Amino acid sequence: ETGVTQSPTHLIKTRGQQVTLRCSSQSGHNTVSWYQQALGQGPQFIFQYYREEENGRGNFPPRFSGLQFPNYSSELNVNALELDDSALYLCASSSASGRLSTGELFFGEGSRLTVL
Amino acid sequence: AQSVTQLDSQVPVFEEAPVELRCNYSSSVSVYLFWYVQYPNQGLQLLLKYLSGSTLVESINGFEAEFNKSQTSFHLRKPSVHISDTAEYFCAVRTKAAGNKLTFGGGTRVLVKP
Repeated sequence: ETGVTQSPTHLIKTRGQQVTLRCSSQSGHNTVSWYQQALGQGPQFIFQYYREEENGRGNFPPRFSGLQFPNYSSELNVNALELDDSALYLCASSSASGRLSTGELFFGEGSRLTVL
Repeated sequence: AQSVTQLDSQVPVFEEAPVELRCNYSSSVSVYLFWYVQYPNQGLQLLLKYLSGSTLVESINGFEAEFNKSQTSFHLRKPSVHISDTAEYFCAVRTKAAGNKLTFGGGTRVLVKP
């Protein structure tokens, strides 16, 4: 186990609804990244939070937003859900950001979102 | 921008046989390279990484990968697989400035048969 926990593990929403996914990072890790893994594909970077600020974003629209809290846990919010948002959402924590990062990420088991 | 291509989506292999998973990348700048493994119903785990130095890197469970800059490849090999190696394997790259923004390939599913 990596020490990264995500909730909920599974959820079903309908088109147009909003969803919040939660992540607790591994103890001592101050950086959290979120990835979307569609069925049969590799994970795609959504964004990263470091010291409660977003400091990197992938090619995702603004309806994907996030937060990081003082205890380094994080939330991913998705508004106006679309069918294509159905995927496994992975949270990953690490102990460094930017050039200091060696790229070793510790992933949670993910939240599987189904949009009907 | 970087991209990663894993040429094989599925690789069936018999137990104790060797396996090679191919990974090619494209990037206009120097990159770090990674292999992650995803066991069924689990998150991804780092298998091995190349940051600098020796182009041959090894993991603790017998996998190795070789960075080939001229061929922009980072193929993963294991000389003898076990049933427990059944999993999906992802190759990933990042630039030095990209922090934790990894670009992943589409994955290769390895099915080890007895």
